[in-house]
Amino acid sequence: GAVVSQHPSWVICKSGTSVKIECRSLDFQATTMFWYRQFPKQSLMLMATSNEGSKATYEQGVEKDKFLINHASLTLSTLTVTSAHPEDSSFYICSAGMVREAGQYAKYFGPGTRLTVL
Amino acid sequence: LAKTTQPISMDSYEGQEVNITCSHNNIATNDYITWYQQFPSQGPRFIIQGYKTKVTNEVASLFIPADRKSSTLSLPRVSLSDTAVYYCLVGGFAHGGGATNKLIFGTGTLLAVQP
Repeated sequence: GAVVSQHPSWVICKSGTSVKIECRSLDFQATTMFWYRQFPKQSLMLMATSNEGSKATYEQGVEKDKFLINHASLTLSTLTVTSAHPEDSSFYICSAGMVREAGQYAKYFGPGTRLTVL
Repeated sequence: LAKTTQPISMDSYEGQEVNITCSHNNIATNDYITWYQQFPSQGPRFIIQGYKTKVTNEVASLFIPADRKSSTLSLPRVSLSDTAVYYCLVGGFAHGGGATNKLIFGTGTLLAVQP
């Protein structure tokens, strides 16, 4: 259980194009999902919190018009990088939370999507 | 959100026990402590989670002292495949709202296991 998938696993695009990344919780429902970005040899940086049926909450410094987030269902959140530029090249990772045993919650992460903008 | 401090890196040899300590001096009452493992170009993988005392599962143990201001991840008999970055995170998981609480990653600990 607790599997989070992402699609695509990698994508290469031209500068100025938009790219959509999907995040799915395969065996549980997630009212909230999180999007992270990770540059080489750095830690994960939280970009935004995606809430099912409502607007996403963005971290300070993250452009909401640049990184569009849609959480259309309890198992799917999408991140669209609009008008991508080379500096947007990064590893994008999503996560979703679920209840473990004894009422504890844990976040589970997707495998990540490598975006390369030429 | 509670900030965590870990060693940047650690070295070990195959078959040894490895203990990685994390400091979280301002941990809140409803914060749980969670450890993740990350390999290059992969998403973090959940290892273990605890609130206090000791937690053990099939891959690791987590030791948390009474004051909860630190925690230690213990990996028994590491192998080369345990070479990875290990992250310690703390976050509030209040009942009914836990899944919405965001986690902030620190720098992590790069564990290098040598033959």
